[in-house]
Amino acid sequence: GAVVSQHPSWVICKSGTSVKIECRSLDFQATTMFWYRQFPKQSLMLMATSNEGSKATYEQGVEKDKFLINHASLTLSTLTVTSAHPEDSSFYICSVINLGGLAGGVNEQFFGPGTRLTVL
Amino acid sequence: KQEVTQIPAALSVPEGENLVLNCSFTDSAIYNLQWFRQDPGKGLTSLLLIQSSQREQTSGRLNASLDKSSGRSTLYIAASQPGDSATYLCAVNSGNTPLVFGKGTRLSVIA
Repeated sequence: GAVVSQHPSWVICKSGTSVKIECRSLDFQATTMFWYRQFPKQSLMLMATSNEGSKATYEQGVEKDKFLINHASLTLSTLTVTSAHPEDSSFYICSVINLGGLAGGVNEQFFGPGTRLTVL
Repeated sequence: KQEVTQIPAALSVPEGENLVLNCSFTDSAIYNLQWFRQDPGKGLTSLLLIQSSQREQTSGRLNASLDKSSGRSTLYIAASQPGDSATYLCAVNSGNTPLVFGKGTRLSVIA
């Protein structure tokens, strides 16, 4: 399967600052990536779909001006949490989807290790 | 809108027991179903993926079944071990769409 990395693995920041999280597909050109968020003891909730070279598609209730997504290349998508507040503290996970360019299950998703954001 | 439900929410068993985790989904028009394991504070580890045309998949002590028409899947863990303690997540997709996750089952295997 595809290997997906995220950076940083954890970050602590002060309220009001912006934080950028990188998601890289190391061995697979990913035209589509997904960003999920997971609050403590909750499941993963989709935030947005990131499409290479075009605007991201956000799920209902996710503020696109607060969670900026840039998918400038086939191997990198970034999520920037702008003016972060304590309620944004969460575990952010990205994934890539195999649309057929990778041997194995078509439409199988591969996940990064996640980034834990803590906003003080 | 697809909804995924996992029962039970939490489960505690003694070491060596066989156990079954349940997953149900509301829209049977799925492309595949995946079972994941998540350790506390960690990311996801894919355990098994079942394509919609398949009935089951096996990996070691794990066996996942899929009954697409009834919207159900089960994950069977044989001879459970303390190292199996984790949260198990079930997720489905309908093609080139993002996975929809259940809330998971928190499993504790007591030595």
